[in-house]
Amino acid sequence: DADVTQTPRNRITKTGKRIMLECSQTKGHDRMYWYRQDPGLGLRLIYYSFDVKDINKGEISDGYSVSRQAQAKFSLSLESAIPNQTALYFCATSAHTDRGSYNEQFFGPGTRLTVL
Amino acid sequence: AQSVSQHNHHVILSEAASLELGCNYSYGGTVNLFWYVQYPGQHLQLLLKYFSGDPLVKGIKGFEAEFIKSKFSFNLRKPSVQWSDTAEYFCAVTNSGGYQKVTFGTGTKLQVIP
Repeated sequence: DADVTQTPRNRITKTGKRIMLECSQTKGHDRMYWYRQDPGLGLRLIYYSFDVKDINKGEISDGYSVSRQAQAKFSLSLESAIPNQTALYFCATSAHTDRGSYNEQFFGPGTRLTVL
Repeated sequence: AQSVSQHNHHVILSEAASLELGCNYSYGGTVNLFWYVQYPGQHLQLLLKYFSGDPLVKGIKGFEAEFIKSKFSFNLRKPSVQWSDTAEYFCAVTNSGGYQKVTFGTGTKLQVIP
């Protein structure tokens, strides 16, 4: 079974619709992240959460919101989808670290979102 | 703010050719460096990482990278590529203390021709 799962894997929606992308993990990690991937732009951080009560904006949070329902679940919402939010969305997790060290991120399979 | 530059956006090589993908970062403090790989249709997975110590880091599938602090670089190398190395490669950097937010480069697409 996959450690980091995302649902749905593909979604086509219309402008103005509300969309929720969900991420679940069984790795026991306390840190979770949402990225979007666009051709030529790499991965850009939307939101990140270091524990259930700690949620932070990333570099491109406008138009998005998140909810950390539990340590294992982190959902991303588009309140009113627009075409330039068409992208591949990845959830990732990492373990807590001490200062001076860092643990790798583990990525989910991605959700391909198309906004018409 | 930290940033990562990957100079090559698209690289095409024949099998058995040698590979070097450039990565330069901008950050004044101590950094941790990573290379991730994304095979077609798949999610990102870690190729190798540098935290401290020996600046020459060996990863999976014969890849290695060298951290050159004076040049702010962390280039990825492989002596002889295979068709199965066709993928997109991302360099990433994070600072060593406090909130360790990762910054990714824009990626390099590698196409290996049989």
